[in-house]
Amino acid sequence: EAGVTQFPSHSVIEKGQTVTLRCDPISGHDNLYWYRRVMGKEIKFLLHFVKESKQDESGMPNNRFLAERTGGTYSTLKVQPAELEDSGVYFCASRGGGTGANVLTFGAGSRLTVL
Amino acid sequence: AQSVTQPDIHITVSEGASLELRCNYSYGATPYLFWYVQSPGQGLQLLLKYFSGDTLVQGIKGFEAEFKRSQSSFNLRKPSVHWSDAAEYFCAVSFRGGATNKLIFGTGTLLAVQP
Repeated sequence: EAGVTQFPSHSVIEKGQTVTLRCDPISGHDNLYWYRRVMGKEIKFLLHFVKESKQDESGMPNNRFLAERTGGTYSTLKVQPAELEDSGVYFCASRGGGTGANVLTFGAGSRLTVL
Repeated sequence: AQSVTQPDIHITVSEGASLELRCNYSYGATPYLFWYVQSPGQGLQLLLKYFSGDTLVQGIKGFEAEFKRSQSSFNLRKPSVHWSDAAEYFCAVSFRGGATNKLIFGTGTLLAVQP
């Protein structure tokens, strides 16, 4: 089974530009999560999708961040306009049902550098 | 507020030595408990988890962890460290019965292994 795939692995942009990160979850996983790790800090929850619906977006920092999951498959996280403090690693995770119902599988992360 | 504490930011051990990484949590009830590892250039990989039952859980790569309710701890151990264990280790919890199963992470412990 393919794992969680994230693209790009690294993005370097100027302050004020836009970046879109993509996550492809494990096939059949209805639950998709975005997390972020700012350098030196803990990995923090951003939001949770169940299929195409946002179940919990309490961790989204501000309205410059927009997450979508049209069709309930892959998800995108757009940052517009990017600020210096948005730099960090963005992780995506997915979760299925059954015996794996309480376990998140993570992707390798997308490192964002805002200059 | 729920929180996870990993008091050791950076640990160095010699290859072949034993290892213990500490994790304490602050939660109203016993949560689900996890340890993840991130090797250089890799994503977050699940090492082991505790949901219920035997408080000593075995994981991959020879790791184990012990849940101690009285101490609100879930320390990770390995009897003999290998050079390939050099990585960053994250303790995480999630709330039992929660709708999102989102994880709350500690700040991580960076493990260096000396030859």
